[in-house]
Amino acid sequence: GAGVSQSPSNKVTEKGKDVELRCDPISGHTALYWYRQSLGQGLEFLIYFQGNSAPDKSGLPSDRFSAERTGGSVSTLTIQRTQQEDSAVYLCASSFRLVQGEQFFGPGTRLTVL
Amino acid sequence: AQSVTQPDIHITVSEGASLELRCNYSYGATPYLFWYVQSPGQGLQLLLKYFSGDTLVQGIKGFEAEFKRSQSSFNLRKPSVHWSDAAEYFCAVGVGGGADGLTFGKGTHLIIQP
Repeated sequence: GAGVSQSPSNKVTEKGKDVELRCDPISGHTALYWYRQSLGQGLEFLIYFQGNSAPDKSGLPSDRFSAERTGGSVSTLTIQRTQQEDSAVYLCASSFRLVQGEQFFGPGTRLTVL
Repeated sequence: AQSVTQPDIHITVSEGASLELRCNYSYGATPYLFWYVQSPGQGLQLLLKYFSGDTLVQGIKGFEAEFKRSQSSFNLRKPSVHWSDAAEYFCAVGVGGGADGLTFGKGTHLIIQP
């Protein structure tokens, strides 16, 4: 079956614009995770969903970041009023179950904020 | 909070030679431990994982890792590397059954010499 897919693969935007990053998890995976990978910070965990619920949003870098998941499937990470420090690769992962679940990663979206 | 240290930023190994990548973690209880590999422009692929039981775990592509509680280590090994093993390797720790996401080390860049 298909793996985790993310779109777009690359996104270049201007400072101050809003962007939406999409993640399609593996079918049947109930848990979904967002990470950010940057040169300075390495791989950072941002948020997870169990079903459509995100119990803890404290990992999001600022209140400009939000995420939602609908139908227990597709998830969108939205960054409002983008800043240059938001430039990074945003990775999505999904897992069949939350506990002891192997996380399968997508190829990522490379975001560049000019 | 948990943390992961990968002491070697870069490692160069000759093709056919053995490999050991170091990983140390900090966590109060037994964590879930993972090794991921990332090729240029690709997402993360799971090599192997440790949840409990046998402390020597086998993974894909001929890799293995040994969990040593006394040393808080989970080093990755391969008896004979191939040029295709050149990539970035990440050690990660999961706690709380995965609900908190994974905490990654900074990664080790593996270079294979012909």
